[in-house]
Amino acid sequence: QKEVEQNSGPLSVPEGAIASLNCTYSDRGSQSFFWYRQYSGKSPELIMSIYSNGDKEDGRFTAQLNKASQYVSLLIRDSQPSDSATYLCAVKVEGGGNKLTFGTGTQLKVEL
Amino acid sequence: DAGITQSPRHKVTETGTPVTLRCHQTENHRYMYWYRQDPGHGLRLIHYSYGVKDTDKGEVSDGYSVSRSKTEDFLLTLESATSSQTSVYFCAISEGGQGPQHFGDGTRLSIL
Repeated sequence: QKEVEQNSGPLSVPEGAIASLNCTYSDRGSQSFFWYRQYSGKSPELIMSIYSNGDKEDGRFTAQLNKASQYVSLLIRDSQPSDSATYLCAVKVEGGGNKLTFGTGTQLKVEL
Repeated sequence: DAGITQSPRHKVTETGTPVTLRCHQTENHRYMYWYRQDPGHGLRLIHYSYGVKDTDKGEVSDGYSVSRSKTEDFLLTLESATSSQTSVYFCAISEGGQGPQHFGDGTRLSIL
């Protein structure tokens, strides 16, 4: 069973702080990794893609990938109340069809 | 936003009736997917398509069928709806075999 695991939270951080969201995966052959943001009652929205080891930055977001440890993380700098949402980690399953396996998500709450 | 339209957005029906959900895209993407999202389970793949008339099963395909007769349309059918199929259904699309998926707004389906 290929799995993607996330802490369900909620993770509470004060406004302006760095939020750190973590994800581990079991399929060592996975090559593509994605972070989605999902507001309550809305659809998942892609915020980051990462394909190689190291860090990838986009605005206030940084994705970090460590394939040896089978670990991917998302850092959100200068957290804002509008960042309060559930963050889903998704990992591409090796093989055809570009299938993704999703974690159950981490709920982030940014407090004033 | 990716040009993905799901219909209907909400539906209430009775156990034993057939139900068809439609996903329509204007991006001319090759891959299309159907997921269901339930509390505690996250997003789970039902079926996906990698071209016109080319479909395959996901991890929770029992009780569901799909059809894709045109690039832009992907239909999900519940052959005989059961209460366990009450869920939020999302359609997603991707251009190729490595890139991210983009999601429609979802269909909230209640089966009484």
